[in-house]
Amino acid sequence: QVQLQESGPGLVKPSETLSLTCTVSGGSLISSYWGWIRQAPGKGLEWIGHIYSSGDTDYNPSLKSRVTISVDTSKNQFSLKLTSVTAADTAVYYCAKRADYGDFDSWGQGTLVTVSS
Amino acid sequence: QSVLTQPPSVSGAPGQRVTISCTGSSSDIGAGYDVHWYQQLPGTAPKLLIYGNVNRPSGVPDRFSGSNSGTSASLAITGLQAEDEADYYCQSYDSSLSALFGGGTKLTVL
Repeated sequence: QVQLQESGPGLVKPSETLSLTCTVSGGSLISSYWGWIRQAPGKGLEWIGHIYSSGDTDYNPSLKSRVTISVDTSKNQFSLKLTSVTAADTAVYYCAKRADYGDFDSWGQGTLVTVSS
Repeated sequence: QSVLTQPPSVSGAPGQRVTISCTGSSSDIGAGYDVHWYQQLPGTAPKLLIYGNVNRPSGVPDRFSGSNSGTSASLAITGLQAEDEADYYCQSYDSSLSALFGGGTKLTVL
């Protein structure tokens, strides 16, 4: 089973852009879907979006105007950018691998991103 | 975007059976999209428990089982153990192929 590891700043100022990278090890990005999911403190899971290794993306309609997910197969990484962040974007951000049934069968440990000045 | 509805909490004594419901609509579960279940222990990432409505990944005890009917799905846990105390989430898709999560259910083992 693949391993996933999120990386990026833990603190982002309001109105700025949140940028995170997920590094995949133990397997290839090729021919799979890769997703981002977040969890605000004390709240449930929220799907942000996912990307296929070819670059095709799907985004949560509520975040679509602010989200970009990209993939770099040469580095075995995929990334998340969320623009114009507010305190409401404070959350633990997880990257995950989407399996054939549409489930997320491998998850990173998650990284807390706090939006604050 | 659709929403999947779960009870906020359920509880049961060790050894008992509990079920957690996940109610959707004709645009998601009712449209035939598979339901998946996750277990999240405190401070950890979610772990896949059931995929494709009824399938258990390797290593998941057969005390956990999934089912669905119409616009709803259920997770059943038999022989409840203290280590099962966690948050449980259902997940599916809607007709726009957006992934949906339920609000989560906190299981307390009495």
